[in-house]
Amino acid sequence: GAVVSQHPSRVICKSGTSVKIECRSLDFQATTMFWYRQFPKQSLMLMATSNEGSKATYEQGVEKDKFLINHASLTLSTLTVTSAHPEDSSFYICSARVDRENTEAFFGQGTRLTVV
Amino acid sequence: QQPVQSPQAVILREGEDAVINCSSSKALYSVHWYRQKHGEAPVFLMILLKGGEQKGHEKISASFNEKKQQSSLYLTASQLSYSGTYFCGTERAGTDKLIFGTGTRLQVFP
Repeated sequence: GAVVSQHPSRVICKSGTSVKIECRSLDFQATTMFWYRQFPKQSLMLMATSNEGSKATYEQGVEKDKFLINHASLTLSTLTVTSAHPEDSSFYICSARVDRENTEAFFGQGTRLTVV
Repeated sequence: QQPVQSPQAVILREGEDAVINCSSSKALYSVHWYRQKHGEAPVFLMILLKGGEQKGHEKISASFNEKKQQSSLYLTASQLSYSGTYFCGTERAGTDKLIFGTGTRLQVFP
């Protein structure tokens, strides 16, 4: 299957700083990538849809100024958590699909963010 | 709106069977099933596209009732490796967003 690589896998940062998470599709081009957030023992909640060459589409309740998404190429999307606070601590995971529909979603390894 | 899964948790002995249900309040184009181990990414199990479709994957199979907007995952003769949290993922026609259900935590003991 297709491979999605996410980096870093773990990051600890201080309150007020920003953190960038990268998501790469290694063997296919992804015009669309998705960013999810998962709290302990909860489901994956879709945060935003990252579109190559255009603005990301955010889900209701997600602050677009806090979670900056850039999809500069067909193989790379980045999520930047700006001015991080302890409540932003979570598991962030990206996914991509080879085709827009009818295919499985391939996931990155996830990033465990801890804000201290 | 997030699909609702039932039960929330299941405890099994090796060799026992289980059924996990996924119900949506909105019309569905397809249903995906994933299994996630703690701290890891979800792993794809199967996708169902048509109403009434059933699929099998080793001892894991699923059905999709498009009219009822429901899907069920069947685990037979469970193995220790089946332990994890199972999520259904649903998508609506015209959108490529995958929305995950509430999750079902499955634990298999020897």
